[in-house]
Amino acid sequence: QKEVEQDPGPLSVPEGAIVSLNCTYSNSAFQYFMWYRQYSRKGPELLMYTYSSGNKEDGRFTAQVDKSSKYISLFIRDSQPSDSATYLCATPMGGANSKLTFGKGITLSVRP
Amino acid sequence: DTAVSQTPKYLVTQMGNDKSIKCEQNLGHDTMYWYKQDSKKFLKIMFSYNNKELIINETVPNRFSPKSPDKAHLNLHINSLELGDSAVYFCASSQDLRFETQYFGPGTRLLVL
Repeated sequence: QKEVEQDPGPLSVPEGAIVSLNCTYSNSAFQYFMWYRQYSRKGPELLMYTYSSGNKEDGRFTAQVDKSSKYISLFIRDSQPSDSATYLCATPMGGANSKLTFGKGITLSVRP
Repeated sequence: DTAVSQTPKYLVTQMGNDKSIKCEQNLGHDTMYWYKQDSKKFLKIMFSYNNKELIINETVPNRFSPKSPDKAHLNLHINSLELGDSAVYFCASSQDLRFETQYFGPGTRLLVL
């Protein structure tokens, strides 16, 4: 089992829709979780990160972690065409020399 | 004002050749990374360096040799290129060994023919 599994895509939604992107992780010791956004032909950029359980909100984006089910989610409200990108969940493997393990990424397309 | 830059952006080469990709960051970060992203967008770490010292070598074939002449630069040299090396290679940096906020470069698209 991979450390981080991400729902397969691609995903296409109309503008204004609420988008839910999901990942699961295997190791209950993981504490930090990130969402990266990658536009076409660009490098990934950190969108949000959360620690342990709970929600974190930033504008139209909400990151949620459910440690009991080892589930992480990114919600996008009022989606815009500019949100069209690949979204990757990630978590460090733990330890002082942490390395990020990424999910496979899901490509989101928001139709005008 | 590019934070993390890579050269070249595109690289097309024949099997068996040797090539290098260069990376520079002007953020004053201590830690730099190389990632490989395959055609299915799966992003996987290859190496990380902290203050010019190799920290992570993620079972990458030894045809891949990173070199860090100073903490602002991390180059990747690839010997005897194979078809399976075709991918996008990303350089990234972070302030230190903690994971928060890795800044990625624009990527180098390598195609091995």
